[in-house]
Amino acid sequence: DAGVIQSPRHEVTEMGQEVTLRCKPISGHNSLFWYRQTMMRGLELLIYFNNNVPIDDSGMPEDRFSAKMPNASFSTLKIQPSEPRDSAVYFCASSLLTGGASGYTFGSGTRLTVV
Amino acid sequence: GENVEQHPSTLSVQEGDSAVIKCTYSDSASNYFPWYKQELGKRPQLIIDIRSNVGEKKDQRIAVTLNKTAKHFSLHITETQPEDSAVYFCAAINTGGFKTIFGAGTRLFVKA
Repeated sequence: DAGVIQSPRHEVTEMGQEVTLRCKPISGHNSLFWYRQTMMRGLELLIYFNNNVPIDDSGMPEDRFSAKMPNASFSTLKIQPSEPRDSAVYFCASSLLTGGASGYTFGSGTRLTVV
Repeated sequence: GENVEQHPSTLSVQEGDSAVIKCTYSDSASNYFPWYKQELGKRPQLIIDIRSNVGEKKDQRIAVTLNKTAKHFSLHITETQPEDSAVYFCAAINTGGFKTIFGAGTRLFVKA
């Protein structure tokens, strides 16, 4: 298995632009998570899907952020409009068992820079 | 809200010495405790985990202990090597409530 695949690896965009991050989880994994990592705030859970259904989106910072999982093999995280404070590394992770009970496999992350 | 406290934030040891990282959690319903290692510029990777029905687990130079009564768990690395240098994150998971909380991380430096 190729693991959790994220794209793009790096994204530089201007403030106000729309940004879409993509994730392909490991086949057969039931749960998918989006995390944001910054030096100041560490790893923050943004949203968690189980069987493609959003279970907990309480970590989504504000309405500018949205996430979808149209099928078991694909998820997107969209920021519109983007702001400099959104600059961070965004990780997607998947888990075989519900709720991360088997541990996460993280993707390589997308390093987002908003200028 | 629920949280996980991780200490120390930075740890520097000499190659060959042991390193211990400690985490304390607040959600008494937490029942799964993974540890992740993140090397500079890379993804976090699961290195060891322990469930609430077990007190200790060992995998070569790495061990984890859990004290449910005190609500704390620890990562022990013996015979440290320079390649152990990384940031280590603990996490406490309530698998029934689907809640995962990460510690803030410990930056481990192993000096050759």
